[in-house]
Amino acid sequence: KQEVTQIPAALSVPEGENLVLNCSFTDSAIYNLQWFRQDPGKGLTSLLLIQSSQREQTSGRLNASLDKSSGRSTLYIAASQPGDSATYLCAVEGPGGGNKLTFGTGTQLKVEL
Amino acid sequence: DAGITQSPRHKVTETGTPVTLRCHQTENHRYMYWYRQDPGHGLRLIHYSYGVKDTDKGEVSDGYSVSRSKTEDFLLTLESATSSQTSVYFCAISSGQGGGETQYFGPGTRLLVL
Repeated sequence: KQEVTQIPAALSVPEGENLVLNCSFTDSAIYNLQWFRQDPGKGLTSLLLIQSSQREQTSGRLNASLDKSSGRSTLYIAASQPGDSATYLCAVEGPGGGNKLTFGTGTQLKVEL
Repeated sequence: DAGITQSPRHKVTETGTPVTLRCHQTENHRYMYWYRQDPGHGLRLIHYSYGVKDTDKGEVSDGYSVSRSKTEDFLLTLESATSSQTSVYFCAISSGQGGGETQYFGPGTRLLVL
C-alpha cells in the first residue's frame, strides 16, 4: 500500500525567505506526482504535476522536483509572500488506472510579515 | 475555476439517519471522485466513477454508496450515518484522457453526525 509522508507538518517563515517542502512516498511505481494548495475552508487547487518521466516542473516562483527512485519530491517556493500561507499537499498517482491519488497529510505554511 | 459545486455545503445530522451529498460538474469530465478529509489522515478516496453508471471503491468505502446516472452528477450516500463519518467531504473531477491529468476539486461539504 502506497504511503505518502510530508515533513514538516507545519512551517513558519519570514516574508522573502526561500523555502523547501518535502514529500516522500514508499512505492516508486508511480505515474505522476502532484502538488496542491489548500486555503482554510476551501478545496484544493492544483499547483504542479510532474510525470514519472520528468525530473522537475516550474510555475512562476514554484519549482517541484521528483526523484522517483528514491521516493522523494520537493516543492521549492522562492521569495515567499504572506499570500503563500496555506496548506500544501502532495499526491501520487499509482498504477491501476482511474487517475486515483494517494495524498500526504500536508505541510501548513505561514509566511509572516 | 473548474465548474464544480457541492451541496449542501454544511450539514448536521443524527446518528442512524441517511444522508446524500451531491456533486455537480459543468466540465463534462469523465472521472469523478469522492474524498474525505480528516485531521492526521489527509484526503482519502471513498469511491470514484469512470463514467455514467460505472463506479468503483476507494480506500475507505465501507458505509458509503455512490450513484452516477448523468455525466454531470455524482451522489454520495451514507445509508445510516455514524459519528465516525463526521468529516469534510470533497468531490473532484478529471478528464481521464490518457492518464496523468490533474484533478479539480469542489469547495467541500462539512458534515457533522451527532
